[in-house]
Amino acid sequence: AQSVAQPEDQVNVAEGNPLTVKCTYSVSGNPYLFWYVQYPNRGLQFLLKYITGDNLVKGSYGFEAEFNKSQTSFHLKKPSALVSDSALYFCAVRDPDGGSQGNLIFGKGTKLSVKP
Amino acid sequence: DAGVIQSPRHEVTEMGQEVTLRCKPISGHNSLFWYRQTMMRGLELLIYFNNNVPIDDSGMPEDRFSAKMPNASFSTLKIQPSEPRDSAVYFCASSLALPSRGNTIYFGEGSWLTVV
Repeated sequence: AQSVAQPEDQVNVAEGNPLTVKCTYSVSGNPYLFWYVQYPNRGLQFLLKYITGDNLVKGSYGFEAEFNKSQTSFHLKKPSALVSDSALYFCAVRDPDGGSQGNLIFGKGTKLSVKP
Repeated sequence: DAGVIQSPRHEVTEMGQEVTLRCKPISGHNSLFWYRQTMMRGLELLIYFNNNVPIDDSGMPEDRFSAKMPNASFSTLKIQPSEPRDSAVYFCASSLALPSRGNTIYFGEGSWLTVV
């Protein structure tokens, strides 16, 4: 069965410092991986995804993520955090060989807090 | 471009009343999803449709919940009768074909339901 884990409930970063939000996954085949961001009282916004190809994926708002097959990870990164990046971040995984059409599994979310 | 449109954005209702949540997917998208978000359980997939046909409703919590998609541009999620434990944020989302092909799911802003 496919699953995704976000091991940190909260990440605290000072503005201007690099940030990392961790995500690990478990699927039987090659995964499709997604990151979403949710600002307070808003819906989830798509940031980036890995389907195939280059392991380093660049997305919206200066975020990027690196697919690491050996470590089954897809950590979200940004070189220099902004206070406005403070939000809830969700990692999601889809096993294209998993048989359940369209079922995207979401992690529990990581709250990112960027302090001035 | 218009995104996924949900209504109402906020609803407060009394226990036992019927609640109807509405969704208009992104034009041209043929997969539609209903999710529920709570603090305790995170994001849960309730049901999804492909080409207006329900594909998987295994996430629907009980018979009090029902969802319909009468045409490609409209879907409803109905709770009858509502209970306080149904209080949550309900998200509608859509994608171009099923995410099994790596298509991105786009979310609406949510319907914030409180049952008192």
